[in-house]
Amino acid sequence: DIQMTQSPSSLSASVGDRVTITCRASQSISSYLNWYQQKPGKAPKLLIYAASSLQSGVPSRFSGSGSGTDFTLTISSLQPEDFATYYCQQSYSTFTFGPGTKVDIK
Amino acid sequence: QITLKESGPTLVKPTQTLTLTCTFSGFSLSTSGVGVGWIRQPPGKALEWLALIYWDDDKRYSPSLKSRLTITKDTSKNQVVLTMTNMDPVDTATYYCARGWLRLPFDYWGQGTLVTVSS
Repeated sequence: DIQMTQSPSSLSASVGDRVTITCRASQSISSYLNWYQQKPGKAPKLLIYAASSLQSGVPSRFSGSGSGTDFTLTISSLQPEDFATYYCQQSYSTFTFGPGTKVDIK
Repeated sequence: QITLKESGPTLVKPTQTLTLTCTFSGFSLSTSGVGVGWIRQPPGKALEWLALIYWDDDKRYSPSLKSRLTITKDTSKNQVVLTMTNMDPVDTATYYCARGWLRLPFDYWGQGTLVTVSS
């Protein structure tokens, strides 16, 4: 099984901050890495797929990078609606989600 | 417009079998490459992938839960059914169904349904 880790598990940031979340796979997953945003009581929303492709309708302040085992989600300028929990997910071999990173207001 | 909706019991007793149905519209499960999967989330915890069935009836299961899960599809009804046997209180969670693709993400999700396991 492929295991996913994320860091940090939580972070506090201010509107306008640049935020970076890291995801690591236990083995190489090429670029089969996706990022989701989830707000309380809501279903996850796909942000980034194939490590760096922006899902249609997602603001350009979200970006993803990486390949192999190490990946990054960056929010270039945090907006009020971005306070949420972010999950990475590998789709190289079935599916595994990371433990999540909660982004809250400083 | 693509929509998915989960349905099933909100409360099950320990040891019982859970049956959940995902009814979807806006796409066909006969389209090459497409699949429908199930993901759950215990209260306050992370997402956990459970199972996925592809257009060609290929079925994939979470290794840790494989012995308890069965996923089936009815293409004519646009439905996917998940059964989970021997339910336990730790299986209390919101269960989501979502559209997926081979080696691609889940791009459309249902609203989720909370299932509580309690005697």
